[in-house]
Amino acid sequence: RKEVEQDPGPFNVPEGATVAFNCTYSNSASQSFFWYRQDCRKEPKLLMSVYSSGNEDGRFTAQLNRASQYISLLIRDSKLSDSATYLCVVRRSSASKIIFGSGTRLSIRP
Amino acid sequence: DAEITQSPRHKITETGRQVTLACHQTWNHNNMFWYRQDLGHGLRLIHYSYGVHDTNKGEVSDGYSVSRSNTEDLPLTLESAASSQTSVYFCASRQDQRYEQYFGPGTRLTVT
Repeated sequence: RKEVEQDPGPFNVPEGATVAFNCTYSNSASQSFFWYRQDCRKEPKLLMSVYSSGNEDGRFTAQLNRASQYISLLIRDSKLSDSATYLCVVRRSSASKIIFGSGTRLSIRP
Repeated sequence: DAEITQSPRHKITETGRQVTLACHQTWNHNNMFWYRQDLGHGLRLIHYSYGVHDTNKGEVSDGYSVSRSNTEDLPLTLESAASSQTSVYFCASRQDQRYEQYFGPGTRLTVT
């Protein structure tokens, strides 16, 4: 079993829709959580950190559920420009190295 | 503006050749990382460094080496390129005490 798992998608949703995807992690002592966005043939870019109480940045909301060991990303009022692959990232407690999920591909259609 | 750059952006080489990929950051970050990204595997850590003269192996380090002679640069060397090393390579860096990593634009390497 992978340490960080994501549904690869693709999620294909119409513009303006709300879309959510989860990421599960296996190490219960994991400390830090992030969502990155990666456009085709480009580098990953930090979208947002995920805090224990949940956090919001404009149309994006991130949640952490430690009991069930998953984090989620909700995108409201989706735009064509949201089309990308979203990477879930988790830091192990015992090291400062981080683990990347394989990504969830999102495609927004007009 | 501070940034992280990689060169070359594209490279084609032959099996058995030594290849060096450059990574340069101007953020003065102590922590630097090399990843490879392949379909079906996501990003995998090759080597990393927490400061000058410090280097450490990641999960897929066989056939690769790094050196850190200054804060700004972490070159990645493929000792004898193999077709299995055809991939996209990303360099990243981060500040001490923070875990968000910032990536360079990547190098697309093809080994024929």
